[in-house]
Amino acid sequence: DTGVSQDPRHKITKRGQNVTFRCDPISEHNRLYWYRQTLGQGPEFLTYFQNEAQLEKSRLLSDRFSAERPKGSFSTLEIQRTEQGDSAMYLCASSLETGYNEKLFFGSGTQLSVL
Amino acid sequence: ELKVEQNPLFLSMQEGKNYTIYCNYSTTSDRLYWYRQDPGKSLESLFVLLSNGAVKQEGRLMASLDTKARLSTLHITAAVHDLSATYFCEITGNQFYFGTGTSLTVIP
Repeated sequence: DTGVSQDPRHKITKRGQNVTFRCDPISEHNRLYWYRQTLGQGPEFLTYFQNEAQLEKSRLLSDRFSAERPKGSFSTLEIQRTEQGDSAMYLCASSLETGYNEKLFFGSGTQLSVL
Repeated sequence: ELKVEQNPLFLSMQEGKNYTIYCNYSTTSDRLYWYRQDPGKSLESLFVLLSNGAVKQEGRLMASLDTKARLSTLHITAAVHDLSATYFCEITGNQFYFGTGTSLTVIP
């Protein structure tokens, strides 16, 4: 069990550029979540997948954000035309949905800075 | 508007003392989670509570859920310095919402 892996750890980009983050969940986990967190705030839900199906997407998420989980394994989160307000820590988590005791395991996150 | 409120926001307590963190939410929820976050680190899952009256304990932490009151508590028994962290609750259903967080400092 290598845990949830996120890449890159840090990303600095200029406003207007596109960025893509990757998350590799724990191998047997069927659920994968994306959150973002700004300094001093609680995490904010973005979206989640069960296997390859995207089941929920935050109503707050603009159409500049898109996430995929092809083949139900790793996931990517893309932000198009980045804005300074997108600067945050992007967290990925995975879990094995058992119906009664689902526990989320979080990665170390990708810190995005938009200049 | 959905709200998930925690109180207190900041808590400073002496080692050996007991205290309770509260999580109030304003809508029905399928599950309630508690997490711990150390400064500069990611989140660690502590508990998941599924039903009314659920109680879970691990070490010096005990979490409970009252779905009728839309209230969860995280009780700390005989606090130790290692428990210093920020604690979040999260409710899940169709959407997922975190509480405001409680920053706990345990003073030797």
